[in-house]
Amino acid sequence: DAGVTQSPTHLIKTRGQHVTLRCSPISGHKSVSWYQQVLGQGPQFIFQYYEKEERGRGNFPDRFSARQFPNYSSELNVNALLLGDSALYLCASSTDRALYGYTFGSGTRLTVV
Amino acid sequence: AQSVTQLGSHVSVSEGALVLLRCNYSSSVPPYLFWYVQYPNQGLQLLLKYTSAATLVKGINGFEAEFKKSETSFHLTKPSAHMSDAAEYFCVMGSGNTGKLIFGQGTTLQVKP
Repeated sequence: DAGVTQSPTHLIKTRGQHVTLRCSPISGHKSVSWYQQVLGQGPQFIFQYYEKEERGRGNFPDRFSARQFPNYSSELNVNALLLGDSALYLCASSTDRALYGYTFGSGTRLTVV
Repeated sequence: AQSVTQLGSHVSVSEGALVLLRCNYSSSVPPYLFWYVQYPNQGLQLLLKYTSAATLVKGINGFEAEFKKSETSFHLTKPSAHMSDAAEYFCVMGSGNTGKLIFGQGTTLQVKP
């Protein structure tokens, strides 16, 4: 079975641009979460979606948005990129929003120049 | 507020020696606790999880952790370190209501030959 897949793996954007990151959960998983990991730090929670509804939001500005599709895949959108948005963005999926352990993807490395 | 503290940002052991990575948590409700490992340029892999079934939890690759409520600790151990154990380790707590994972700052484990 395929694990959590994220695309693209790497990308470089210019300040002020917009970016869309994509995530496909493990088959059968209905919960998808997004995390931002700045170099040298632990991941920070951005969003959680379960059954296509937002179930949690972290302390991130409104420039960050996300959605979950009927097939449970998800997109993370970031507008008006700042240099500080440079990070590894991780997607995690789970069977439900109860916490029995999430499976993480390998992440998307975003560099803002 | 819920929080996770990992004691020691870097731990160095010799191959074959005991590995002990320390984690303390703060939570007003019974916590879900996890240890994840991250190898360079990769996503996070679940090592083990505590969900109140047993206080001593065994995970993959010979790791185990013991939940001690009186000490609010969830330390990770492995009897004998292997070179392949060198990685970043995160102690993580789950917030049941939102599905949010709260990460510690991480501990880099170095294994010397």
